[in-house]
Amino acid sequence: GAVVSQHPSRVICKSGTSVKIECRSLDFQATTMFWYRQFPKQSLMLMATSNEGSKATYEQGVEKDKFLINHASLTLSTLTVTSAHPEDSSFYICSATGGGGAGETQYFGPGTRLLVL
Amino acid sequence: QKEVEQNSGPLSVPEGAIASLNCTYSDRGSQSFFWYRQYSGKSPELIMSIYSNGDKEDGRFTAQLNKASQYVSLLIRDSQPSDSATYLCAVNAPNFGNEKLTFGTGTRLTIIP
Repeated sequence: GAVVSQHPSRVICKSGTSVKIECRSLDFQATTMFWYRQFPKQSLMLMATSNEGSKATYEQGVEKDKFLINHASLTLSTLTVTSAHPEDSSFYICSATGGGGAGETQYFGPGTRLLVL
Repeated sequence: QKEVEQNSGPLSVPEGAIASLNCTYSDRGSQSFFWYRQYSGKSPELIMSIYSNGDKEDGRFTAQLNKASQYVSLLIRDSQPSDSATYLCAVNAPNFGNEKLTFGTGTRLTIIP
């Protein structure tokens, strides 16, 4: 199966700082990447859909100026949490597809656990 | 009505028995259905995908799809303690962009040795 990596796996930062999370597809070209957030004991919540070379599409209620997404190449998307606050502490997970269209399988990265102090 | 519904569990099944996980969805236009397994503290991993009515078998896992009833299930035969995890049902959301998936809240499965 397709392999997706994320870096870092865990990050602790002070309130007010920015954190960048990288998502890479290792063995396929990811036309579309998705960013999810998961709070403890809750399901995955889609934050945004990222297409290579174009602006990300954010879900309702997700602040695009706070969660900056860049998908500059077919193998890399980044999520930057700007001016992070304790309520942003969560498990951030990316997934990727090869752009094959409707219903294509999403392969997930291992996730990044963010703790904002 | 939630778009994708699952019984949250916990569902307890003796080792060696069959575990049955169920999922219903509301959008009749949905075409692709997935089961993911998520261990505590980890990200989801794909178990099965199914696109046509009927059964699809892969090892100990069988996915069943009934589009008329808007129902998809996952059977796990010969359950093992390592199958203990949360199982997420995901359905593509054609009305919101074909590649997006809508996830259920997951069913927590515990296999009792």
